[in-house]
Amino acid sequence: AQKITQTQPGMFVQEKEAVTLDCTYDTSDQSYGLFWYKQPSSGEMIFLIYQGSYDEQNATEGRYSLNFQKARKSANLVISASQLGDSAMYFCAMREGLPLVFGKGTRLSVIA
Amino acid sequence: NAGVTQTPKFRVLKTGQSMTLLCAQDMNHEYMYWYRQDPGMGLRLIHYSVGEGTTAKGEVPDGYNVSRLKKQNFLLGLESAAPSQTSVYFCASSYQSPDTQYFGPGTRLTVL
Repeated sequence: AQKITQTQPGMFVQEKEAVTLDCTYDTSDQSYGLFWYKQPSSGEMIFLIYQGSYDEQNATEGRYSLNFQKARKSANLVISASQLGDSAMYFCAMREGLPLVFGKGTRLSVIA
Repeated sequence: NAGVTQTPKFRVLKTGQSMTLLCAQDMNHEYMYWYRQDPGMGLRLIHYSVGEGTTAKGEVPDGYNVSRLKKQNFLLGLESAAPSQTSVYFCASSYQSPDTQYFGPGTRLTVL
């Protein structure tokens, strides 16, 4: 079974609008961490945001927020006020134990 | 402070050839990782290290070996390259296990 599921292979959003990228995870551990990374066309992996399983508040970093719903095992990324530079692949990842397990990614395209 | 660097950036090999990919980090991180990224597959962990002199297998270790002789360096070796090892290879490091992983720029390897 997949540990991380990203059901949206591709998404389009109008510039300046908000967009939600979905991520669900599967774990039986009580302690785990959830990450989102951005990969632009240049190829590098850029860390965006982190949520710990015991964090009661949703994580926020500038225009990025993580909508953490523990009972539903979802950790959706919300990008507010989309910009053209947000066009990229976005990966959700989970730390369960030591290494990270990544989802297959969602390609976001921002339209002017 | 260069962060995580990878050498080389591109390489083409013939089947059966060997090569070593070098990853270096100057952040004094304990943990280092090697991933491969294939189209539609996200990132998959090959091997990782929790400190100088230690290595462990990840999700897809077959056909690869690693060494961590110095804390700042993590080497990935291919003893006999196969076309199935054509991929983009990313190195990452983190200070400790639940910490954010910082990625290198990647190495694009083609095996003919």
